[in-house]
Formats: sequence, C-alpha cells, structure tokens
Amino acid sequence: AQSVTQLDSHVSVSEGTPVLLRCNYSSSYSPSLFWYVQHPNKGLQLLLKYTSAATLVKGINGFEAEFKKSETSFHLTKPSAHMSDAAEYFCVVSEAGTYKYIFGTGTRLKVLA
Amino acid sequence: SAVISQKPSRDICQRGTSLTIQCQVDSQVTMMFWYRQQPGQSLTLIATANQGSEATYESGFVIDKFPISRPNLTFSTLTVSNMSPEDSSIYLCSVEMAQETQYFGPGTRLLVL
Repeated sequence: AQSVTQLDSHVSVSEGTPVLLRCNYSSSYSPSLFWYVQHPNKGLQLLLKYTSAATLVKGINGFEAEFKKSETSFHLTKPSAHMSDAAEYFCVVSEAGTYKYIFGTGTRLKVLA
Repeated sequence: SAVISQKPSRDICQRGTSLTIQCQVDSQVTMMFWYRQQPGQSLTLIATANQGSEATYESGFVIDKFPISRPNLTFSTLTVSNMSPEDSSIYLCSVEMAQETQYFGPGTRLLVL
C-alpha cells in the first residue's frame, strides 16, 4: 500500500531564510507526487508535481522539490521565505492506476518577521 | 487547470438536518472527488464520482450518509445527511485533470450545532 509521511507537523523560519519541508513516501510503483498549499480559510493550491520526468521539480512562488528514489523522499524547499508563505503544506502521493490521492498529515509553516 | 466553485461557502446547521453541497467546474471532466477535512486534520477521500455511474465510496463512508449525484461532466453534489456535530468539517471537491493532477474547489465550511 502507498503512504506518505510528513516528518514535521510545524516548521518555523525567519523571513529571508531557507525553507525545508520534509516528505517521505512508500510506494510499490513509480509514484506521482505532489505538494499542495492551503492558506487560512482557502482551498488547496497545487505548488508542484513529480510524474516521472525530471527529478528536480520547480513550482510556483519559488518552491522546488527533488524526487530521490533511493531515499524515498520528496522534500519541498525554497531559498528565501516570505511572510506570505505562512500556510499549511500537504505532500500527496497518487495511488497508481486509481487517480486517488493519499495525503500526508500536513506541515504548518510559520514565518517570523 | 480548472476553475471550480462550491456552494455554499459555509453554513451552520442544526443536528438531524441535511445539507447539499454543490460543485461546479468550468470544463468537462470525467473524474470528480469529494473530500472531508476535519478541524486541524488532513484531507480524507469520501468518494469518487464519475459521470454516468454510481459513486465509489471509501472505507468508513456510506451512501446513506453521503449521497452523491453526478448528473453531467461539469457538476456534482454531495449531501451530508442526518448531521451531527461530528460532521463539522470542511468539504472539498476536486477534479482530475491531465497527468493524474487534481484541482480543488475552495471548500464548504460546515458547522453542526
């Protein structure tokens, strides 16, 4: 069975410093992986996705993620945090052949001034 | 991508009543999904709704409690029946577009008293 683990429930960074949100997955197949962001009282917005093309994926708002099969990881990074990045971030694996999403438990990012 | 709207955006309901949530998308899509996000939690898939067939429910969700309609390729409804305070959640619909990617509506925030 497929699963995804977000290693940190809360992350705090200072504005202008790097962001690292960690995600590990478990999959019997070559997975499709996604990062979504949810700002307070808003729906989910797709940040980026990996679907077996380039292992380094660039997304919106300066975010990127690297697919590392040997480490079964898909960590989300950003070189410099902005106050507007404060939100909940979800790592998602797509269940092969079904199009069903399996969500991680989420990481709440706090950006300090 | 797709533009997805949901109605109502929020509601406060009395226990024992039912609420029907509408999801409208601006293009024709085959697969639509309904999720529940309980307070402070991640998203859980309720069911998959394909046009022209019965919805497929996930473990723990039943049709009597969450009946779903999918009359055409741009619209779906989810009804939360005989509500209790435990049904207080955000309910989100999503649509599957190319490369297994889902796009989400803004959500319906439900409070049951």
